[in-house]
Amino acid sequence: DAGVIQSPRHEVTEMGQEVTLRCKPISGHNSLFWYRQTMMRGLELLIYFNNNVPIDDSGMPEDRFSAKMPNASFSTLKIQPSEPRDSAVYFCASSLGTPTEAFFGQGTRLTVV
Amino acid sequence: KQEVTQIPAALSVPEGENLVLNCSFTDSAIYNLQWFRQDPGKGLTSLLLIQSSQREQTSGRLNASLDKSSGRSTLYIAASQPGDSATYLCAVPSGSARQLTFGSGTQLTVLP
Repeated sequence: DAGVIQSPRHEVTEMGQEVTLRCKPISGHNSLFWYRQTMMRGLELLIYFNNNVPIDDSGMPEDRFSAKMPNASFSTLKIQPSEPRDSAVYFCASSLGTPTEAFFGQGTRLTVV
Repeated sequence: KQEVTQIPAALSVPEGENLVLNCSFTDSAIYNLQWFRQDPGKGLTSLLLIQSSQREQTSGRLNASLDKSSGRSTLYIAASQPGDSATYLCAVPSGSARQLTFGSGTQLTVLP
């Protein structure tokens, strides 16, 4: 298996623009997580899906953030409008149920200027 | 609320040394504990998952131990190599979503 695949790897955008991050989980995994990593706050959970259904989105910082999982093999995290404080590395992770071993993608480094 | 602490924040050792990284957690009612490695600019690579019923888990030169009652885990790296240089993170599932709560990591540098 190719592991968790995220795209793009790097994204530079101007403040106010819409940004869409993509994730393909490991085939067969039914739990998907979006995390954000910053120097100040470390790794924080944004949202958790189970069987394509959002279960916990309490970590989504503002209404500017939204996430979807239209099917078992694809998820998106959208920021609209983006702000400089959204600059961070965004990780997607998947697992077979919880709490089991989680596997992370390579991350998307987002820079909002 | 679960809190995870890793000490030291940074460690530098000469090649060939055996070393121990520490992880502590405040709520001992954990399902498991996972150790990750993160290289600069890269994602997290799962190294070991140790279940709450286990005391130890081994993978190659890595050995993780777990003492739930004291809220501690250690990652032992034998015969360290420069390629082991990375940040090592421990994490435990917590919260309603059993999402991973991470420590802040130990940045390891192995000098050739």
